[in-house]
Amino acid sequence: LAKTTQPISMDSYEGQEVNITCSHNNIATNDYITWYQQFPSQGPRFIIQGYKTKVTNEVASLFIPADRKSSTLSLPRVSLSDTAVYYCLVGDNGGGGNKLTFGTGTQLKVEL
Amino acid sequence: SQTIHQWPATLVQPVGSPLSLECTVEGTSNPNLYWYRQAAGRGLQLLFYSVGIGQISSEVPQNLSASRPQDRQFILSSKKLLLSDSGFYLCAWDRENYGYTFGSGTRLTVV
Repeated sequence: LAKTTQPISMDSYEGQEVNITCSHNNIATNDYITWYQQFPSQGPRFIIQGYKTKVTNEVASLFIPADRKSSTLSLPRVSLSDTAVYYCLVGDNGGGGNKLTFGTGTQLKVEL
Repeated sequence: SQTIHQWPATLVQPVGSPLSLECTVEGTSNPNLYWYRQAAGRGLQLLFYSVGIGQISSEVPQNLSASRPQDRQFILSSKKLLLSDSGFYLCAWDRENYGYTFGSGTRLTVV
């Protein structure tokens, strides 16, 4: 399984765009990149998934360069409620019984 | 729609007592099911996963066990709890293009 590296913590202010970058140098050809969000005392929640280039949904955007050795989660105009831990995972796109490993993630703190 | 139920939400158990946590999934058949544990301030540790009834794979040697008696039921058990078993236990299932869906979790405190 590809190992991922992401910052331990980030601070931001309301209304700003936040970009969290994840490194995954050993990503395999058939691996997808998935980001999750976790609030205290809750299970992680799926945010976005991508394979290459750019993916956008109503919550975030995911940018993946051509070599796929890194990815960037972009949260537009964050609010206090975006304070959470964000995990970057690399593996199959779900349904395949892939045993994904969650690291310690990135603790995002949004302030007024 | 698919939903995942996990209970109880919180549990306080004495050392040496047994444990049984249950997880059920609705709205899908033959899901891949997982048990994770999260210690305070740590990432999620995969404990068990199952790809079908009676099929259990253990990732971490410990005094916990898992069973899947029905297609959409996954149970985490222990005969004798240790202090180190305290943590936040999460059940999950995965599906194509949507990654993992987690239950609401069980906060277990062993005293």
